[in-house]
Amino acid sequence: DQQVKQNSPSLSVQEGRISILNCDYTNSMFDYFLWYKKYPAEGPTFLISISSIKDKNEDGRFTVFLNKSAKHLSLHIVPSQPGDSAVYFCAASGGGSEKLVFGKGTKLTVNP
Amino acid sequence: DADVTQTPRNRITKTGKRIMLECSQTKGHDRMYWYRQDPGLGLRLIYYSFDVKDINKGEISDGYSVSRQAQAKFSLSLESAIPNQTALYFCATSPGVRGRTGELFFGEGSRLTVL
Repeated sequence: DQQVKQNSPSLSVQEGRISILNCDYTNSMFDYFLWYKKYPAEGPTFLISISSIKDKNEDGRFTVFLNKSAKHLSLHIVPSQPGDSAVYFCAASGGGSEKLVFGKGTKLTVNP
Repeated sequence: DADVTQTPRNRITKTGKRIMLECSQTKGHDRMYWYRQDPGLGLRLIYYSFDVKDINKGEISDGYSVSRQAQAKFSLSLESAIPNQTALYFCATSPGVRGRTGELFFGEGSRLTVL
């Protein structure tokens, strides 16, 4: 079963607009969530994280929101830039396991 | 130079051959991981190691083995490669903050094709 779901395989937005990437999880024991960005021919790189004791974490243009009751988190990128075009992976851990569980990824394309 | 280095970056081999993918890191992290990426399936954990004497299976360890030769080196072996092991393989390290996996630092990937 898929514990971390990214239901949108792709997303296209205009430069300067907001990009919203969504992630749902099923394991209520998850208490730490991360977003990774991956460019072609490179390894994923850490972007931003959030602990379950918070509902929002911000880092520059990137903000992650966590809704524990809905088991949902989202990544907001404002304003979006062409260099943000990449695959974004949501990941989660917790419940005594220190392993990260990844979603399938969402390919973001930011058009100039 | 990359902090997490994988070799080879690309490899084409035939069914039944033994293949080793190597990973070395200069980050000084105790924790190392091997992931596999397939189109539409995201990143799946093959094996992980929290220190030189600690090796653990991930969610898709069948057909793979690993060796942690030193704190800085973690290699992945396919004893008898098969076509469905064609994928992009990533090595990663983690400092393991306060009992959590925390942020992972990935290598650039090794693309393996099994014919």
